[in-house]
Amino acid sequence: GDSVTQMEGPVTLSEEAFLTINCTYTATGYPSLFWYVQYPGEGLQLLLKATKADDKGSNKGFEATYRKETTSFHLEKGSVQVSDSAVYFCALSDQARAGNNRKLIWGLGTSLAVNP
Amino acid sequence: NAGVTQTPKFRVLKTGQSMTLLCAQDMNHEYMYWYRQDPGMGLRLIHYSVGEGTTAKGEVPDGYNVSRLKKQNFLLGLESAAPSQTSVYFCASTTMTDTQYFGPGTRLTVL
Repeated sequence: GDSVTQMEGPVTLSEEAFLTINCTYTATGYPSLFWYVQYPGEGLQLLLKATKADDKGSNKGFEATYRKETTSFHLEKGSVQVSDSAVYFCALSDQARAGNNRKLIWGLGTSLAVNP
Repeated sequence: NAGVTQTPKFRVLKTGQSMTLLCAQDMNHEYMYWYRQDPGMGLRLIHYSVGEGTTAKGEVPDGYNVSRLKKQNFLLGLESAAPSQTSVYFCASTTMTDTQYFGPGTRLTVL
């Protein structure tokens, strides 16, 4: 079945460091890909998404490019801040097979801590 | 526009007690979901609904029941709580774009 694999955390960085969180997927259809962020004590919120190959999603300085050839959707940010400390989740939705349930397949999450 | 709200925010139960978690959304979304989040296990889908009056099982449905009598509300029930149901519960909703919108969560402890 479809699946998402994220790099394990926790990831600890100093402020202004470069961030990469790896995400790879397996899917038999044509998935949309998502990154969600969960700040401490809160629910998840959409960070960015991409709906087709070579699309780049971006938001709040974060970027991720939908790479069909490597089945990847790695999250990057050039200069992290303390306020970026959160858990990041990669997810996919296979629109071709979603039928009428619109479910997302989730990675396990990667915890990021940014130190001042 | 409140988005997705969850009631209550915190709850402590004793083993064997019952309770209902309420999820409400004001975005007119057809699809709604209940997840549980446990350390190291990510999000696991409990039950979901594709429209008013419908429900379906997710990955971990045992010990839970749900109802979707109104489009804007999705209720999660625990008939006889067990310590293994100690978790953080999230409700989410979506429309045709597949982007899911989450509530703030309910932190449940079963003693």
